Amino acid sequence: QAQLVQSGAEVKRPGASVKISCKAFHYTFTSYGISWVRQAPGQRPEWLGWISAYKGNTKYAQKFQDRVTMTKDTSTNTAYMELRSLRSDDTALYYCARSAQYSDSFDVWGQGTMVTVSS
Amino acid sequence: DIQLTQSPSTLSASVGDRVTITCRANQSISHWLAWYQQKRGKAPKLLIYLTSSLESGVPSRFSGGLSGTEFTLTISSLQPDDFATYYCHHYGSSSTFGQGTKVDI
Repeated sequence: QAQLVQSGAEVKRPGASVKISCKAFHYTFTSYGISWVRQAPGQRPEWLGWISAYKGNTKYAQKFQDRVTMTKDTSTNTAYMELRSLRSDDTALYYCARSAQYSDSFDVWGQGTMVTVSS
Repeated sequence: DIQLTQSPSTLSASVGDRVTITCRANQSISHWLAWYQQKRGKAPKLLIYLTSSLESGVPSRFSGGLSGTEFTLTISSLQPDDFATYYCHHYGSSSTFGQGTKVDI
């Protein structure tokens, strides 16, 4: 059964950067893409962007275009999401999720990585 | 920007009830809509994609549809495991979620 396993919780100061990993198991990594979605406490999910695990091309949500970078490493079946210039309102649970295209639903999700931004 | 509005925000129901959640978009989104179930502290789980296609492994009591401009998620007979929050999700040119509907006892 396909599975995504994310890195552990992070605590960051305002202005810092965070980089989260998402390792894929039990499916062909390069046959799909990875979307990143975050969810602040009590809020709806919010899509940050998508990366093709095959070609590495990306599509970012306009809101995060200037602060996010998504990468992948096919040798380890791992996707990464870096968010820069962190603010307190970036505090959220960050999920990676499998999607064939950026314009697709998310059929497999990681367990989530809590990012707390606090001075 | 495409916005999704779900109703109701909270739904109180009993085991065995038929429940319907609606999701309305502020512009045409064709059939590019999915539904997810989320339990406290867990990742969302895909239930329905492309408006009415049931994800593999999801019980057949869940169904999705489109009535006019309103998308619907129906649970034909509510089970104890179904008490959760449900989100609609538009995917396509952009990706956006509804605000959620909490189904509780």
